[in-house]
Amino acid sequence: EPEVTQTPSHQVTQMGQEVILRCVPISNHLYFYWYRQILGQKVEFLVSFYNNEISEKSEIFDDQFSVERPDGSNFTLKIRSTKLEDSAMYFCASRAVQETQYFGPGTRLLVL
Amino acid sequence: KQEVTQIPAALSVPEGENLVLNCSFTDSAIYNLQWFRQDPGKGLTSLLLIQSSQREQTSGRLNASLDKSSGRSTLYIAASQPGDSATYLCAGAGGTSYGKLTFGQGTILTVHP
Repeated sequence: EPEVTQTPSHQVTQMGQEVILRCVPISNHLYFYWYRQILGQKVEFLVSFYNNEISEKSEIFDDQFSVERPDGSNFTLKIRSTKLEDSAMYFCASRAVQETQYFGPGTRLLVL
Repeated sequence: KQEVTQIPAALSVPEGENLVLNCSFTDSAIYNLQWFRQDPGKGLTSLLLIQSSQREQTSGRLNASLDKSSGRSTLYIAASQPGDSATYLCAGAGGTSYGKLTFGQGTILTVHP
């Protein structure tokens, strides 16, 4: 069964460094998302992406964040200058026209 | 702004029991509601999706209902098993077609043998 994949599974970085989280959505899907979950808290929406542009973003998704679909398969989230409070599990999700969102296994980001 | 709340926060039941998890949302203009399962340290597995025009969906031992007028959804699990132990999350999709999900905080379910 097709699934969303994410790399790396874990990333440790120093405060102020740039990180890129990678996702490969399910191949025929059209809508792409990033969410994050800080330890012990709710899953929070970050951004949605459709037709090669951001369709919606949350207040969390400030100028430090960017997303890209550089080719036909990858979908990336870049954090330009990481802060301690960016430590979280980051989930990528995708869906087709049909509305069920399928989530990847997540990348656990730790900022020191 | 959509707010999603789940009760109870945690539930512990003996194997074989039928149980109900509750989810409430503040904005009835949801597009759909999705139930997920999350195992510790893992991703989210989609269980059921209910369209705003539907009242319920069933998959195996799971049945989810949706009442938009009261802002509530329930997930019914029949004949619970230890393998059902996980955190169950509900999420409402926003009022645009892009489908941004707003999540509840989850119900931690433990089914003991």
